[in-house]
Amino acid sequence: EVQLVESGGGLVQPGGSLRLSCIASGFTFSSYEMNWVRQAPGKGLEWLSYISSTGSAIDYADSVKGRFTISRDNANNSLYLQMNSLRAEDAALYYCARDPRQYCTHGLCYRGFFDYWGQGTLVTVSS
Amino acid sequence: QSVLTQPPSVSGAPGQRVTISCTGSSSNIGAGYDVHWYQQLPGTAPKLLILGNNNRPSGVPDRFSGSKSGTSASLAITGLQAEDEADYYCQSYGSSRYVFGTGTMVTVL
Repeated sequence: EVQLVESGGGLVQPGGSLRLSCIASGFTFSSYEMNWVRQAPGKGLEWLSYISSTGSAIDYADSVKGRFTISRDNANNSLYLQMNSLRAEDAALYYCARDPRQYCTHGLCYRGFFDYWGQGTLVTVSS
Repeated sequence: QSVLTQPPSVSGAPGQRVTISCTGSSSNIGAGYDVHWYQQLPGTAPKLLILGNNNRPSGVPDRFSGSKSGTSASLAITGLQAEDEADYYCQSYGSSRYVFGTGTMVTVL
């Protein structure tokens, strides 16, 4: 059974830092692209960051570029998000999500979606 | 930050059919990127509902269907059930990599 378990959330002051973790199990972690997605209270989903299966390719949303750093440790089936210079607007539930790279059926292949999500870890930014 | 526009809410009686639109642009859906849909039940993480415009992952009831045309897509729920009351999000790909819709709350009357 595929499982993604996030941790590391909590209360932090504006300008502070947090490091989120996502532990994967039930699949070959090193074969999958991974992402972080967040959801502010009562709001919609916002993609934050992507990392390729080997970690060689990384991308960020403009809203977190320069402040957040994604990384992974394939030996330990772990995904991380280092968050610095946190702002009030960064308060949200943070999910890790797996991108299977592609799914093929009936001769057609599809890409760019999230097939499994963790349960999320809550980040609160307040003084 | 959402670049895909959805109606904030739709509602229907049990057994009815409801549709949710997802409007993008020439830089995402209109550029040929696939549209995917997620269902988020209250207090839970999103769950993949439709992938590749109109494909249901294993375990998703066939009352859920998707379509895509031009710069838009839509999700249809036929035979609406109480358990379908949730938030629904479309998602595609674009210049900013993954892009989500604004989300639609489905209420079963």
